[in-house]
This record gives sequence, structure tokens and C-alpha cells, in this order.
Amino acid sequence: EAQLLESGGGLVQPGGSLRLSCVASGLTLSPYAMGWVRQAPGRGLEWITAITGSGDSTYYADSVQGRFTFSRDNSKNTLSLQMSSLRAEDTAIYYCAKGNSRSRPYYFDSWGQGTLVTVSS
Amino acid sequence: EIVLTQSPGTLSLSPGERATLSCRASQSISNNYLAWYQLKPGQSPRLLIYGASSRATGIPDRFSGSGSGTDFTLTINGLEPEDFAMYYCQPYGNSRAFGQGTQVEIK
Repeated sequence: EAQLLESGGGLVQPGGSLRLSCVASGLTLSPYAMGWVRQAPGRGLEWITAITGSGDSTYYADSVQGRFTFSRDNSKNTLSLQMSSLRAEDTAIYYCAKGNSRSRPYYFDSWGQGTLVTVSS
Repeated sequence: EIVLTQSPGTLSLSPGERATLSCRASQSISNNYLAWYQLKPGQSPRLLIYGASSRATGIPDRFSGSGSGTDFTLTINGLEPEDFAMYYCQPYGNSRAFGQGTQVEIK
């Protein structure tokens, strides 16, 4: 069964950095666009970033533009989300999600179990 | 950026009843590039519907999607206990922001 597994979450101070990873098992990710979606406590789902299958294009929500960097290494079947200048409002469960195609348009047809990021002093 | 408004915010129903969830877009969604997701506490989101009306793999036929342009609907016919959850709509063309969600709760 294909699975996505996120890691790297934890407690970080405001202004700090954190790197999330997403690895796939039973699935080759290179043909697919990928994204990260988060859910803050008591809030709804928020799309934050996406990357094309080749990795040549990335897209960011305004809330994370300039602070987060999404990248992929198709040779290792892994994705990375580098988060910097973290704020309290970045506290959330972060989900890695797989698109159904290489580039737009695509919906997310498979999701990881999520990793919790807490930004607090 | 397309803004999606979901209504109602909360739907209180009994098992066996029909749930009708609305998702209204601030501008027309081309090619019906709209998806619906279910989210339960402690679980990952689950794709239900794509293309406004196509059921994802493994989704029971009590779930159906309809609509076009700016008005979309998710209908759940005969609510099962496991259907009580949050539901989100999302466009997947150039805009990707989710609606704020509808909570389907047990009455």
C-alpha cells in the first residue's frame, strides 16, 4: 500500500527554523505534483505550498511566501519543506499530499498522517 | 484568487438523514476543477469528490457532488455514523485555497 510519511515536526521558538520531510513508500513520486496543507488548532485546512512533478515550479500561499521553501529530490523519493522565521500562527499539523498529475490542474488524492509543528517560547 | 464560502457552518442531523453541503465560489471555477475532502479528528484528509461530481476510488455511492460555475453541492444520502466529520471544498486550477469547512454533527 502506498504511503506518505512526514517527519521533522516539533517545538521551535518564534523566529526559529524547522525542516519537514515527506517520504513515500510503495509509490514513486516523480510523476506527481506534491503539496503541503496545514491545519492550525481549531481552524480549517490551509493550502500552503505545492511543487510540480519535475520540481521546476513551486507555488506558495501569501502566509508563507518568502519564509518557506519547498523542494523535492526525485532520486530519493523525498520532499522537504524548509520553514524559517516561524511565527506562533504557523503552529499546526502539516500534511504532505500527493497530486494526481504532474502539474496543474491536480487534486490531492493521497495524504500523509501529518506532523505537528508548535511555535512557542 | 478564488474565495470559497461553505454553508452552513454546522449541520446537525441524525443517522439516515440526507446532508446537503454548499460551496460557493467568488468567481467561476473553470472546467469544474473542484474537490471535496472529509476530515475526521486524528485522521488525514480524505478525497471524496473531484471534478465537482466524480467519486474518488473507494468512496461509497451515498456521497455525490454536483454543480458548476460558482455553485457546488456535496450530498450525503443516508448518513452513516462514520460520516459525521468536517467537509472542505477546494478548487484545483490556478487557485487552491480551501473553503472554511462544514461540520456535520450528530443531532
